[in-house]
Amino acid sequence: IAGITQAPTSQILAAGRRMTLRCTQDMRHNAMYWYRQDLGLGLRLIHYSNTAGTTGKGEVPDGYSVSRANTDDFPLTLASAVPSQTSVYFCASSAGGQGSDTQYFGPGTRLTVL
Amino acid sequence: GQNIDQPTEMTATEGAIVQINCTYQTSGFNGLFWYQQHAGEAPTFLSYNVLDGLEEKGRFSSFLSRSKGYSYLLLKELQMKDSASYLCAGMDSNYQLIWGAGTKLIIKP
Repeated sequence: IAGITQAPTSQILAAGRRMTLRCTQDMRHNAMYWYRQDLGLGLRLIHYSNTAGTTGKGEVPDGYSVSRANTDDFPLTLASAVPSQTSVYFCASSAGGQGSDTQYFGPGTRLTVL
Repeated sequence: GQNIDQPTEMTATEGAIVQINCTYQTSGFNGLFWYQQHAGEAPTFLSYNVLDGLEEKGRFSSFLSRSKGYSYLLLKELQMKDSASYLCAGMDSNYQLIWGAGTKLIIKP
């Protein structure tokens, strides 16, 4: 069982280009999340999905979009990348219950926008 | 507003004990999580507290005081592999996690 996979591992992107970060989980978790992690800051939630077919905005959604067509996949798209989107991006999933709903993280994508 | 505070960096000696503190302010409260993150890797789950008191898991223990908005992670018999960042996160009334910036723990021989 792989858990959560993310692709690509790293990417250097020219400003203005479109980019999709891929995330797939095989744990049949209902909920999925996208975070960005920047030096000196905590993980910040970009978008989330509580179940297939639904999505919601997190703390820093501007410039990003997501879709959740099925349980397993939760891609994150940057429509027109800007240098401030340089960050490490983590996808996570959880069973989707309440309370002690532990989130499990993918290995991350390191994105540099020039 | 919602806020999680924890020290930026701590140093400890191999074999010793270290306590990493975390204070939290969340809109509603559904528990406090601790994660470990080694450099260049993903965060991994360590512990969850929702009731006051101490939860022990081997060399790691986590404590919660809801009335004080305070938690700590206690690491005993430190090993070099414990060198990592430790992330504190509070779960708010919407079951979303609010994350601290992490405490980088440096273990010296």
